[in-house]
Amino acid sequence: NAGVTQTPKFRILKIGQSMTLQCAQDMNHNYMYWYRQDPGMGLKLIYYSVGAGITDKGEVPNGYNVSRSTTEDFPLRLELAAPSQTSVYFCATGTGWSTEAFFGQGTRLTVV
Amino acid sequence: AQSVTQLDSQVPVFEEAPVELRCNYSSSVSVYLFWYVQYPNQGLQLLLKYLSGSTLVKGINGFEAEFNKSQTSFHLRKPSVHISDTAEYFCAVSDRAAGNTGKLIFGQGTTLQVKP
Repeated sequence: NAGVTQTPKFRILKIGQSMTLQCAQDMNHNYMYWYRQDPGMGLKLIYYSVGAGITDKGEVPNGYNVSRSTTEDFPLRLELAAPSQTSVYFCATGTGWSTEAFFGQGTRLTVV
Repeated sequence: AQSVTQLDSQVPVFEEAPVELRCNYSSSVSVYLFWYVQYPNQGLQLLLKYLSGSTLVKGINGFEAEFNKSQTSFHLRKPSVHISDTAEYFCAVSDRAAGNTGKLIFGQGTTLQVKP
């Protein structure tokens, strides 16, 4: 089993461009999450989903959009990239409640 | 709302020495507590978690943590570290309330540097 797969691993965007970060899981988990990691700031929740067709905002949703049409996939969309979105993005899955979250390897995004 | 503070951004230590990574949290509701580890260029993986019961929790790779409710702390310890423990460590909390969706609030992270 691959677990949580994120693509691409690295990307450089120009200001104003758009892109989609892909996240796919084969763990059959209902809950999926997108976090961003910035140096010295820990991880911040961007969006999360409790199941197909249901998404909600996290702590830092501005500038991002998500969709969840299937249990397996949870893409994160950046519409107008800004330098402030330079970060490492992690997708995670879980069964919610008290269980652990399983993280992908991350996508390192640079906006120039 | 919850917040998590990791009191040390970097902790240098010599191999085979003991180490403690400190974590304090603030919350108006009861929380679950977690420690995650991130090795270079990798995602996060769970070290240990406290849900209920014994306040001393043992995790993988010889790590343990103690929950102290009165001090709202969850410090991580290892009696003897190895070079391979060099990584970034994150403390996190999750709301215990009904309908908990497993969302995590993370601390800023502590870089453990183990020197030979």
